[in-house]
Amino acid sequence: SYVLTQPPSVSVAPGKTARITCGGNNIGSKSVHWYQQKPGQAPVLVIYYDSDRPSGIPERFSGSNSGNTATLTISRVEAGDEADYYCQVWDSSSDHPGVFGTGTKVTVL
Amino acid sequence: EVQLVESGGGLVKPGGSLRLSCAASGFTFSNAWMSWVRQAPGKGLEWVGRIKSKTDGGTTDYAAPVKGRFTISRDDSKNTLYLQMNSLKTEDTAVYYCTTVIAVAGTESCYFDYWGQGTLVTVSS
Repeated sequence: SYVLTQPPSVSVAPGKTARITCGGNNIGSKSVHWYQQKPGQAPVLVIYYDSDRPSGIPERFSGSNSGNTATLTISRVEAGDEADYYCQVWDSSSDHPGVFGTGTKVTVL
Repeated sequence: EVQLVESGGGLVKPGGSLRLSCAASGFTFSNAWMSWVRQAPGKGLEWVGRIKSKTDGGTTDYAAPVKGRFTISRDDSKNTLYLQMNSLKTEDTAVYYCTTVIAVAGTESCYFDYWGQGTLVTVSS
Protein backbone atom coordinates (compact mmCIF):
# COMPACT_ATOMS: atom_id res chain seq x y z
CA SER A 1 0.00 0.00 0.00
CA TYR A 2 0.98 3.63 -0.52
CA VAL A 3 3.09 5.16 2.26
CA LEU A 4 3.23 8.83 3.31
CA THR A 5 6.15 9.85 5.51
CA GLN A 6 6.18 12.94 7.71
CA PRO A 7 8.77 14.18 10.23
CA PRO A 8 7.62 13.34 13.77
CA SER A 9 8.09 16.87 15.02
CA VAL A 10 8.76 20.43 13.93
CA SER A 11 9.59 23.27 16.32
CA VAL A 12 9.15 26.92 15.42
CA ALA A 13 9.31 30.28 17.18
CA PRO A 14 6.27 32.56 17.16
CA GLY A 15 6.15 34.76 14.08
CA LYS A 16 8.40 32.44 12.08
CA THR A 17 7.54 29.98 9.32
CA ALA A 18 6.89 26.26 9.82
CA ARG A 19 7.23 23.83 6.94
CA ILE A 20 5.86 20.30 7.27
CA THR A 21 6.78 17.80 4.58
CA CYS A 22 4.89 14.75 3.37
CA GLY A 23 6.90 12.31 1.30
CA GLY A 24 5.47 9.71 -1.06
CA ASN A 25 6.37 8.01 -4.32
CA ASN A 26 5.47 10.46 -7.11
CA ILE A 27 3.10 12.26 -4.73
CA GLY A 28 3.10 15.19 -7.15
CA SER A 29 0.75 13.18 -9.36
CA LYS A 30 -1.85 12.96 -6.58
CA SER A 31 -4.06 15.48 -4.77
CA VAL A 32 -2.83 16.06 -1.22
CA HIS A 33 -5.00 17.21 1.67
CA TRP A 34 -3.94 18.39 5.12
CA TYR A 35 -5.61 18.19 8.53
CA GLN A 36 -4.89 19.91 11.84
CA GLN A 37 -5.68 18.13 15.10
CA LYS A 38 -5.39 19.85 18.46
CA PRO A 39 -5.24 17.77 21.68
CA GLY A 40 -8.58 16.18 22.56
CA GLN A 41 -10.26 17.50 19.41
CA ALA A 42 -11.34 16.11 16.07
CA PRO A 43 -9.22 16.83 13.01
CA VAL A 44 -9.97 19.91 10.91
CA LEU A 45 -9.32 20.21 7.17
CA VAL A 46 -6.86 23.06 6.55
CA ILE A 47 -5.73 22.47 2.94
CA TYR A 48 -7.32 20.49 0.10
CA TYR A 49 -6.31 19.89 -3.52
CA ASP A 50 -2.66 20.58 -2.62
CA SER A 51 -3.09 24.30 -1.95
CA ASP A 52 -6.74 25.35 -1.52
CA ARG A 53 -7.97 26.62 1.83
CA PRO A 54 -11.46 25.94 3.22
CA SER A 55 -13.39 28.98 4.34
CA GLY A 56 -12.33 30.10 7.79
CA ILE A 57 -8.75 28.86 7.48
CA PRO A 58 -6.25 31.75 7.71
CA GLU A 59 -4.19 32.72 4.66
CA ARG A 60 -1.14 31.90 6.77
CA PHE A 61 -1.74 28.27 5.83
CA SER A 62 -0.57 27.28 2.35
CA GLY A 63 0.40 24.12 0.52
CA SER A 64 2.45 22.89 -2.41
CA ASN A 65 3.06 19.54 -4.07
CA SER A 66 5.70 18.42 -6.56
CA GLY A 67 7.80 15.38 -7.29
CA ASN A 68 8.01 13.15 -4.22
CA THR A 69 7.19 15.80 -1.60
CA ALA A 70 4.16 17.82 -0.56
CA THR A 71 4.60 20.69 1.89
CA LEU A 72 2.30 22.47 4.31
CA THR A 73 3.61 25.93 5.18
CA ILE A 74 2.41 27.93 8.16
CA SER A 75 3.55 31.56 8.03
CA ARG A 76 3.73 33.94 10.98
CA VAL A 77 3.18 31.04 13.37
CA GLU A 78 0.98 31.65 16.42
CA ALA A 79 0.70 29.74 19.67
CA GLY A 80 -2.71 28.48 18.56
CA ASP A 81 -1.11 26.64 15.62
CA GLU A 82 0.44 24.11 17.98
CA ALA A 83 -1.11 20.81 16.94
CA ASP A 84 -0.62 17.56 15.06
CA TYR A 85 -0.78 17.81 11.28
CA TYR A 86 -1.58 14.95 8.88
CA CYS A 87 -1.34 14.76 5.11
CA GLN A 88 -3.72 12.49 3.16
CA VAL A 89 -4.08 11.11 -0.35
CA TRP A 90 -6.35 8.65 -2.08
CA ASP A 91 -4.57 5.78 -3.84
CA SER A 92 -7.20 4.16 -6.06
CA SER A 93 -4.89 1.33 -7.13
CA SER A 94 -4.44 0.11 -3.55
CA ASP A 95 -6.53 -2.18 -1.35
CA HIS A 96 -6.14 0.54 1.27
CA PRO A 97 -6.95 3.64 -0.79
CA GLY A 98 -7.48 6.15 2.00
CA VAL A 99 -3.97 6.95 3.20
CA PHE A 100 -2.89 9.31 5.97
CA GLY A 101 0.63 10.41 6.70
CA THR A 102 2.36 9.47 9.93
CA GLY A 103 1.66 12.88 11.44
CA THR A 104 3.82 15.81 12.57
CA LYS A 105 3.68 17.47 15.96
CA VAL A 106 4.22 21.22 15.59
CA THR A 107 5.55 22.85 18.73
CA VAL A 108 5.56 26.62 19.10
CA LEU A 109 8.56 27.60 21.20
CA GLU B 1 -24.14 24.33 10.31
CA VAL B 2 -22.92 20.81 9.61
CA GLN B 3 -23.13 18.53 12.63
CA LEU B 4 -22.01 14.93 12.92
CA VAL B 5 -22.67 13.17 16.22
CA GLU B 6 -21.29 9.67 16.78
CA SER B 7 -22.65 7.25 19.34
CA GLY B 8 -22.53 3.57 20.26
CA GLY B 9 -18.97 3.26 21.47
CA GLY B 10 -18.02 1.33 24.58
CA LEU B 11 -16.18 -1.66 25.99
CA VAL B 12 -16.47 -4.97 24.16
CA LYS B 13 -14.63 -8.28 24.46
CA PRO B 14 -12.43 -9.63 21.67
CA GLY B 15 -14.56 -11.45 19.15
CA GLY B 16 -17.58 -9.34 20.01
CA SER B 17 -19.66 -6.93 17.94
CA LEU B 18 -20.65 -3.30 18.17
CA ARG B 19 -22.62 -0.92 15.99
CA LEU B 20 -21.72 2.75 15.79
CA SER B 21 -24.11 5.44 14.60
CA CYS B 22 -23.50 8.91 13.24
CA ALA B 23 -26.41 11.37 13.21
CA ALA B 24 -25.97 14.03 10.54
CA SER B 25 -27.56 17.45 10.18
CA GLY B 26 -27.01 20.77 8.43
CA PHE B 27 -26.58 19.33 4.93
CA THR B 28 -28.38 17.07 2.45
CA PHE B 29 -27.29 13.71 3.84
CA SER B 30 -28.71 11.64 0.99
CA ASN B 31 -26.39 13.38 -1.49
CA ALA B 32 -23.29 12.96 0.63
CA TRP B 33 -20.53 10.41 0.53
CA MET B 34 -19.56 9.46 4.09
CA SER B 35 -16.61 7.81 5.76
CA TRP B 36 -15.28 6.43 9.03
CA VAL B 37 -11.77 7.23 10.23
CA ARG B 38 -10.26 5.89 13.45
CA GLN B 39 -7.42 6.83 15.77
CA ALA B 40 -5.89 4.40 18.24
CA PRO B 41 -4.83 5.95 21.57
CA GLY B 42 -1.73 8.08 21.05
CA LYS B 43 -1.51 7.10 17.39
CA GLY B 44 -2.23 8.62 13.99
CA LEU B 45 -5.31 8.66 11.80
CA GLU B 46 -6.40 5.52 9.93
CA TRP B 47 -9.07 5.44 7.24
CA VAL B 48 -11.64 2.67 7.85
CA GLY B 49 -14.04 2.87 4.94
CA ARG B 50 -16.50 4.97 2.95
CA ILE B 51 -19.94 4.75 1.41
CA LYS B 52 -21.10 6.65 -1.64
CA SER B 53 -24.50 8.26 -2.01
CA LYS B 54 -27.25 6.09 -3.46
CA THR B 55 -27.34 8.24 -6.58
CA ASP B 56 -23.67 7.37 -7.06
CA GLY B 57 -24.33 3.69 -6.53
CA GLY B 58 -24.22 3.46 -2.74
CA THR B 59 -21.11 1.29 -2.92
CA THR B 60 -18.64 0.80 -0.09
CA ASP B 61 -14.85 0.58 0.18
CA TYR B 62 -12.91 -0.69 3.17
CA ALA B 63 -9.38 -0.63 4.48
CA ALA B 64 -7.61 -3.97 4.36
CA PRO B 65 -7.47 -4.48 8.18
CA VAL B 66 -11.28 -4.31 8.53
CA LYS B 67 -12.48 -5.79 5.23
CA GLY B 68 -14.84 -8.71 5.85
CA ARG B 69 -15.38 -7.72 9.51
CA PHE B 70 -16.80 -4.18 9.29
CA THR B 71 -19.83 -3.00 7.30
CA ILE B 72 -20.79 0.60 6.56
CA SER B 73 -24.42 1.38 5.81
CA ARG B 74 -26.69 4.38 5.72
CA ASP B 75 -30.33 5.25 6.35
CA ASP B 76 -31.08 8.38 4.36
CA SER B 77 -34.58 8.61 5.87
CA LYS B 78 -32.95 9.03 9.29
CA ASN B 79 -29.88 11.01 8.16
CA THR B 80 -27.77 8.40 9.88
CA LEU B 81 -24.56 6.55 9.03
CA TYR B 82 -23.68 3.22 10.63
CA LEU B 83 -20.59 1.13 11.21
CA GLN B 84 -21.25 -2.51 12.10
CA MET B 85 -18.13 -4.02 13.63
CA ASN B 86 -17.88 -7.79 14.03
CA SER B 87 -15.09 -10.13 15.17
CA LEU B 88 -13.49 -7.25 17.02
CA LYS B 89 -9.80 -7.42 17.89
CA THR B 90 -7.80 -5.56 20.53
CA GLU B 91 -6.13 -3.60 17.72
CA ASP B 92 -9.54 -2.14 16.80
CA THR B 93 -9.43 -0.07 20.00
CA ALA B 94 -9.68 3.54 18.87
CA VAL B 95 -11.74 6.69 18.66
CA TYR B 96 -13.97 6.35 15.61
CA TYR B 97 -14.79 9.50 13.66
CA CYS B 98 -17.60 9.98 11.18
CA THR B 99 -16.72 12.32 8.31
CA THR B 100 -18.28 13.81 5.21
CA VAL B 101 -16.43 12.98 2.02
CA ILE B 102 -15.72 15.26 -0.91
CA ALA B 103 -14.87 13.43 -4.12
CA VAL B 104 -12.32 14.94 -6.47
CA ALA B 105 -14.27 15.66 -9.65
CA GLY B 106 -14.06 12.90 -12.23
CA THR B 107 -12.02 10.57 -10.03
CA GLU B 108 -12.42 8.09 -7.19
CA SER B 109 -10.12 10.28 -5.08
CA CYS B 110 -11.54 12.04 -2.06
CA TYR B 111 -10.87 13.94 1.13
CA PHE B 112 -12.65 14.39 4.45
CA ASP B 113 -14.46 17.66 4.88
CA TYR B 114 -16.35 17.72 8.20
CA TRP B 115 -15.64 15.49 11.21
CA GLY B 116 -17.66 14.49 14.23
CA GLN B 117 -16.19 14.49 17.74
CA GLY B 118 -15.71 10.74 17.75
CA THR B 119 -16.75 7.80 19.89
CA LEU B 120 -14.34 5.54 21.77
CA VAL B 121 -14.36 1.82 21.19
CA THR B 122 -12.33 -0.30 23.59
CA VAL B 123 -11.77 -3.98 22.81
CA SER B 124 -10.46 -5.76 25.87
CA SER B 125 -11.10 -8.88 27.91
